[in-house]
Amino acid sequence: SQTIHQWPATLVQPVGSPLSLECTVEGTSNPNLYWYRQAAGRGLQLLFYSVGIGQISSEVPQNLSASRPQDRQFILSSKKLLLSDSGFYLCAWSSTLGLEYFGAGTRLSVL
Amino acid sequence: EDQVTQSPEALRLQEGESSSLNCSYTVSGLRGLFWYRQDPGKGPEFLFTLYSAGEEKEKERLKATLTKKESFLHITAPKPEDSATYLCAVPTGTASKLTFGTGTRLQVTL
Repeated sequence: SQTIHQWPATLVQPVGSPLSLECTVEGTSNPNLYWYRQAAGRGLQLLFYSVGIGQISSEVPQNLSASRPQDRQFILSSKKLLLSDSGFYLCAWSSTLGLEYFGAGTRLSVL
Repeated sequence: EDQVTQSPEALRLQEGESSSLNCSYTVSGLRGLFWYRQDPGKGPEFLFTLYSAGEEKEKERLKATLTKKESFLHITAPKPEDSATYLCAVPTGTASKLTFGTGTRLQVTL
């Protein structure tokens, strides 16, 4: 069966520091991969998606970037965090059916 | 532009008090509608997929239905453990992206 791993679960970072969140998927090949951000009490905002290695599409302009160095690995990065980058970050994968399966999420607090 | 709207934003029920959550959508060429449950501090968990008007799916106290314009999540005799945020989503665009509603936050009290 397929599983998705996302870490860390919680992260507290100072303003201006770099960020790297990692997500890996097991049990499937060539998945579509997604990064979402969820602000408190709000819906899911799609940040990036990828349909293959090295293929990244950005949905909103921002201080973040994404990379997909391997088929089942998706990384969310920032060179310098802003206060506004705080939030709950979710990684997800989908098959060709479109249904997305989510990781446990990372709570990022930028202080 | 594809849109998904959920109502109400928040719903408070007493245990055993049945109700329905609404998800209305505007999308060209529906390719499915998904319901998720999200507990605080966790990722959304898949509940149901509906593909065509008239389709119904059930799981324990939950039943999802679909029409050409909206979907309902019916909760029968809810229990406190049903408290969560319920999200609906539809595939949009050409790359299997989902458009999510903002969710209904359900609280079931004793």
